[in-house]
Amino acid sequence: GAGVSQSPRYKVAKRGQDVALRCDPISGHVSLFWYQQALGQGPEFLTYFQNEAQLDKSGLPSDRFFAERPEGSVSTLKIQRTQQEDSAVYLCASSRGEGISYGYTFGSGTRLTVV
Amino acid sequence: QKEVEQDPGPLSVPEGAIVSLNCTYSNSAFQYFMWYRQYSRKGPELLMYTYSSGNKEDGRFTAQVDKSSKYISLFIRDSQPSDSATYLCAMGGVGGGSYIPTFGRGTSLIVHP
Repeated sequence: GAGVSQSPRYKVAKRGQDVALRCDPISGHVSLFWYQQALGQGPEFLTYFQNEAQLDKSGLPSDRFFAERPEGSVSTLKIQRTQQEDSAVYLCASSRGEGISYGYTFGSGTRLTVV
Repeated sequence: QKEVEQDPGPLSVPEGAIVSLNCTYSNSAFQYFMWYRQYSRKGPELLMYTYSSGNKEDGRFTAQVDKSSKYISLFIRDSQPSDSATYLCAMGGVGGGSYIPTFGRGTSLIVHP
């Protein structure tokens, strides 16, 4: 597609519920990143994929967070047993190569509200 | 102290003003510097990308990097109401995990007619 597509755009989850957030990167983009953006804050890194390999997951805040990209294209971020502190916008970005010099294209994000 | 510091604002200016947005950072390994614009309920959009020190100009936008002071700036000339958005600085290095950009918290800019 022309841009990075994320779904759903909005998600309301009851505390304790599991959620799955989807990212469709730009076709052919090798690198895929997930970020978490709390209200009034900048994006915070969660995890990075190069093709299907998850090369860095150092930003995942707990073992309740899990991400996958099994075929090197679409990625899913799963959050188990959601807590109120998980409420944030989850952004996905993709890049055609590895390395910061390629720049990143972000999706519009999924706004997760845990009640 | 965070690696990247950015005043959240809001910064309110009249249309036509020159706007100066700034970030400071502490990691001397940073070599790539970017500015993103984020409209409400949208993802960040890359505006400017600079490698190492120096200036870069693109239309009404000028990015400056002073690595000796660990200070970067974005100038917007002839600001327009459509420039009203949050401006995020981001930066990173080469090798290892430093290709993952670190973001500032963003400065909210309001340009009023």
